[in-house]
Amino acid sequence: AQTVTQSQPEMSVQEAETVTLSCTYDTSESDYYLFWYKQPPSRQMILVIRQEAYKQQNATENRFSVNFQKAAKSFSLKISDSQLGDAAMYFCAYRTVYNQGGKLIFGQGTELSVKP
Amino acid sequence: NAGVTQTPKFRVLKTGQSMTLLCAQDMNHEYMYWYRQDPGMGLRLIHYSVGEGTTAKGEVPDGYNVSRLKKQNFLLGLESAAPSQTSVYFCASRQSDYEQYFGPGTRLTVT
Repeated sequence: AQTVTQSQPEMSVQEAETVTLSCTYDTSESDYYLFWYKQPPSRQMILVIRQEAYKQQNATENRFSVNFQKAAKSFSLKISDSQLGDAAMYFCAYRTVYNQGGKLIFGQGTELSVKP
Repeated sequence: NAGVTQTPKFRVLKTGQSMTLLCAQDMNHEYMYWYRQDPGMGLRLIHYSVGEGTTAKGEVPDGYNVSRLKKQNFLLGLESAAPSQTSVYFCASRQSDYEQYFGPGTRLTVT
């Protein structure tokens, strides 16, 4: 069974600085998807970024980028030029490409605070 | 286009009471999911559906039942609520290889 681990329950960053959130996962599969979701105080789950395992190039979405290390089974999220609106809970998630209904397996979450 | 909606947003139940949570999506998605979120544990899958008329168990299905009689609706039922079912419940839907879209969540408290 696949597992996702986020070892940083809380992180803090100064506004305009850069922060990296860690995520590791365990799987025996060679093809899968990885995601980072943001959950602000409103509770709404918002997709931040997605990575396909077969792609070697790291995904980027504006100020958000990932460092995908397939051999190490590591998938970290880098937030550049942090803004107050980035403060939220961040979840790393795994999804198999094989027939299991496409369900997501989530990590425990990292709560990010942004200091002005 | 409302996306994924959940009814109700909040509910307080007494132990032993029953209730149904309704999830509706207007995106014609095939796949639908119910998750629960507890502090320090992320989201865990309760049940899911790969199409109208189908359901399957997820990671934590005990104490819950589901039905998908219509493609756009996915119902989560608690027949006899227990305090351990106090949680925030999220519904999500997905089409093909794209990402899951989440509803706003339902906060359920069982006393």
